[in-house]
Amino acid sequence: DQQVKQNSPSLSVQEGRISILNCDYTNSMFDYFLWYKKYPAEGPTFLISISSIKDKNEDGRFTVFLNKSAKHLSLHIVPSQPGDSAVYFCAARGRGGSQGNLIFGKGTKLSVKP
Amino acid sequence: GAVVSQHPSRVICKSGTSVKIECRSLDFQATTMFWYRQFPKQSLMLMATSNEGSKATYEQGVEKDKFLINHASLTLSTLTVTSAHPEDSSFYICSVPEGGTEAFFGQGTRLTVV
Repeated sequence: DQQVKQNSPSLSVQEGRISILNCDYTNSMFDYFLWYKKYPAEGPTFLISISSIKDKNEDGRFTVFLNKSAKHLSLHIVPSQPGDSAVYFCAARGRGGSQGNLIFGKGTKLSVKP
Repeated sequence: GAVVSQHPSRVICKSGTSVKIECRSLDFQATTMFWYRQFPKQSLMLMATSNEGSKATYEQGVEKDKFLINHASLTLSTLTVTSAHPEDSSFYICSVPEGGTEAFFGQGTRLTVV
């Protein structure tokens, strides 16, 4: 059973608009959430993270929102750029879990059209 | 963050042969490294935790005799896929945890067994 779910396999957005990628999780013991960006044939690149004690973290064009009661987090990219086109993975770490031992969603492929 | 180099990026081998994949932490001494596998349209799945100077810890369902892991130094972990079969064809990625939360990934290795 998947503990981290990304229910949208793909998302298409126009350049300059907002991209919203969603992620749901089932385990309330997760204490840290991360978003990774992955280009084809490359390893994932860390993008942004959020601790379970926060509900928002912002870094430039990227903002992650966490709704613990709904066990839901989202990544907002604004404005979206063609270079943002990639697969985005949501990942979670269990409380007290081994460093870097992350549980990943299946990913959402974002396409930003010029 | 840590710079992680993985080699080779792509390998094609014949069924029954063995393939070695290297993961190097270039600027960070890693007592622990993680090996993941990603099948098409699936999430990254943790295979094993590589521990410097001791035996690796394998996730449930991963055959330790088939996927040999050696972590002989603080900067190098190797994954050897022994007696490879077509079903072992996948994208293998290593990661190095740093800072207690983030994990930095290698470029990945696309293994194709023919």
